[in-house]
Amino acid sequence: AQTVTQSQPEMSVQEAETVTLSCTYDTSENNYYLFWYKQPPSRQMILVIRQEAYKQQNATENRFSVNFQKAAKSFSLKISDSQLGDTAMYFCALKTGTASKLTFGTGTRLQVTL
Amino acid sequence: ETGVTQSPTHLIKTRGQQVTLRCSSQSGHNTVSWYQQALGQGPQFIFQYYREEENGRGNFPPRFSGLQFPNYSSELNVNALELDDSALYLCASSFRGSLQETQYFGPGTRLLVL
Repeated sequence: AQTVTQSQPEMSVQEAETVTLSCTYDTSENNYYLFWYKQPPSRQMILVIRQEAYKQQNATENRFSVNFQKAAKSFSLKISDSQLGDTAMYFCALKTGTASKLTFGTGTRLQVTL
Repeated sequence: ETGVTQSPTHLIKTRGQQVTLRCSSQSGHNTVSWYQQALGQGPQFIFQYYREEENGRGNFPPRFSGLQFPNYSSELNVNALELDDSALYLCASSFRGSLQETQYFGPGTRLLVL
């Protein structure tokens, strides 16, 4: 079975600052993929970034980057130059190669303030 | 490129009734997954459809059922509604055959059972 843990229920960051959201996971499979999704108050789940477990290089998408530590089973999301529009729930999710489903964490509510 | 759409956006039902939720997948996608998101929690996998057949199911009772049509759109049916079925129902589409099978989500249907 797969599990995803997000230990920070809420985070706050000032505009233009950098924030890191934590995620740990557990799976016995070697082939898997990790995702961060953003769910703004409008509720549509939006893909932020994804990482293939076999890739050592950390994924980057503009202001969003990950710190993928495979041995520690850690997958944190760094948001640089935070913007008010980054205010949302952020979910970490895991998909193994053999499974059809995404396993989600409980989410981190991020508030970006002026 | 057309994104994932869902209908209706909101629905109110009473206990014991039946409900049908609809999802149109993103163009080019052949797989649809359904998730239930209770308030304040991460999405929980209900089931996935590929080639008009159920392909993986989460821990949900048989009164949750689905269909996929030749155009890859999908329905989620819930019979004998219970109060605990009140949630946001998310549909996600993906392309089976791509490396990560990244799932892209629709805006969801908010179901309230009274």
